[in-house]
Amino acid sequence: NAGVTQTPKFQVLKTGQSMTLQCAQDMNHEYMSWYRQDPGMGLRLIHYSVGAGITDQGEVPNGYNVSRSTTEDFPLRLLSAAPSQTSVYFCASSGSGFRKSSYNEQFFGPGTRLTVL
Amino acid sequence: AQRVTQPEKLLSVFKGAPVELKCNYSYSGSPELFWYVQYSRQRLQLLLRHISRESIKGFTADLNKGETSFHLKKPFAQEEDSAMYYCALKTNYGKLTFGQGTILTVHP
Repeated sequence: NAGVTQTPKFQVLKTGQSMTLQCAQDMNHEYMSWYRQDPGMGLRLIHYSVGAGITDQGEVPNGYNVSRSTTEDFPLRLLSAAPSQTSVYFCASSGSGFRKSSYNEQFFGPGTRLTVL
Repeated sequence: AQRVTQPEKLLSVFKGAPVELKCNYSYSGSPELFWYVQYSRQRLQLLLRHISRESIKGFTADLNKGETSFHLKKPFAQEEDSAMYYCALKTNYGKLTFGQGTILTVHP
């Protein structure tokens, strides 16, 4: 099993451009989430989903959209990139399924490093 | 609202010395707390969780509800323990609130 995968690993955007960060998991987990990691700020929750067709906002949702059409995929869309969105983005999943996460352990992807010029 | 505070951004110790990474939380419900670790160029991974009261790689953490703390401890630090450590609090639907993180450096 690949676990949680993210693409791309690195991305450079210009201000105003849009793009989608991909996240997929093969563990049949119900719960998926997106975090951004910034120095001194820790990880902050952007959006999360408790199942296909269900999404909700986290702590810092502005400027980002998500959708969950399948259990496996949870893409994060930047509508109009801004320099403040320069960060490392992590996707995570948890739940029952093929690889049950005990005690609500979240499995993380390798991250996407995004720079907005 | 829930909050997790890790007061130390950086912590340096020498190999063989004891290490303690501090974590304090604020939460109105019954807390579920975790420590995650991120080694250089690796993804974030679970280190330990309070509910299982386990010791992983020599690390332990005890939940102190009176002091609302969940400090991570190891009696003898090793160079391979150098990493970023995050304390996290689980809230509803499995959401995690993370602290700011502590970078631990263990010198030879």
